[in-house]
Amino acid sequence: EAGVAQSPRYKIIEKRQSVAFWCNPISGHATLYWYQQILGQGPKLLIQFQNNGVVDDSQLPKDRFSAERLKGVDSTLKIQPAKLEDSAVYLCASSWTGFNEQFFGPGTRLTVL
Amino acid sequence: QQQVKQSPQSLIVQKGGISIINCAYENTAFDYFPWYQQFPGKGPALLIAIRPDVSEKKEGRFTISFNKSAKQFSLHIMDSQPGDSATYFCAASIETSGSRLTFGEGTQLTVNP
Repeated sequence: EAGVAQSPRYKIIEKRQSVAFWCNPISGHATLYWYQQILGQGPKLLIQFQNNGVVDDSQLPKDRFSAERLKGVDSTLKIQPAKLEDSAVYLCASSWTGFNEQFFGPGTRLTVL
Repeated sequence: QQQVKQSPQSLIVQKGGISIINCAYENTAFDYFPWYQQFPGKGPALLIAIRPDVSEKKEGRFTISFNKSAKQFSLHIMDSQPGDSATYFCAASIETSGSRLTFGEGTQLTVNP
């Protein structure tokens, strides 16, 4: 079974620029999660989708972050404009439902200069 | 507040020794307590999980001990091996409502050969 795919793996941008990350979950997984992992900290949930609907986005900084999962499969997370404090690893995870084990992708390491 | 506090921040153990990582939580509604293992450049992977109806769960060399009254749980790694060197995260959620996982800060474990 193929795992959760993410791209790009690394991204370096200047502050105030925009950036987008892509995630393709494990086939058949209805629930998709985006996490932010700042160096030396545990992952923090940004947004959770159930199929193409948002279940939880209470910790998403909506003034600059947006995410979509239009067809209920892959998803894109965007930051516009980026700030220095957005430097982190952005992890995507998926599960069969919101009540099952979450499988994580390798993450995208974002550096904002 | 839905916090999970993890200690120690880092741990060095000799091969064959026992590694112990502790977590404490505040929200008594939490009913699912997983431990994740993360290697550099990889996403976290579920190692073992426990629910509060049992006080201990063992899978191979990994054991979770759970103390509901103290609101604490711990991971014990018996016969620690150099391949166990990784960052370990405890987490908690209210599984019955499909709520988000709240992660601890992580423990960087080094097992010396």
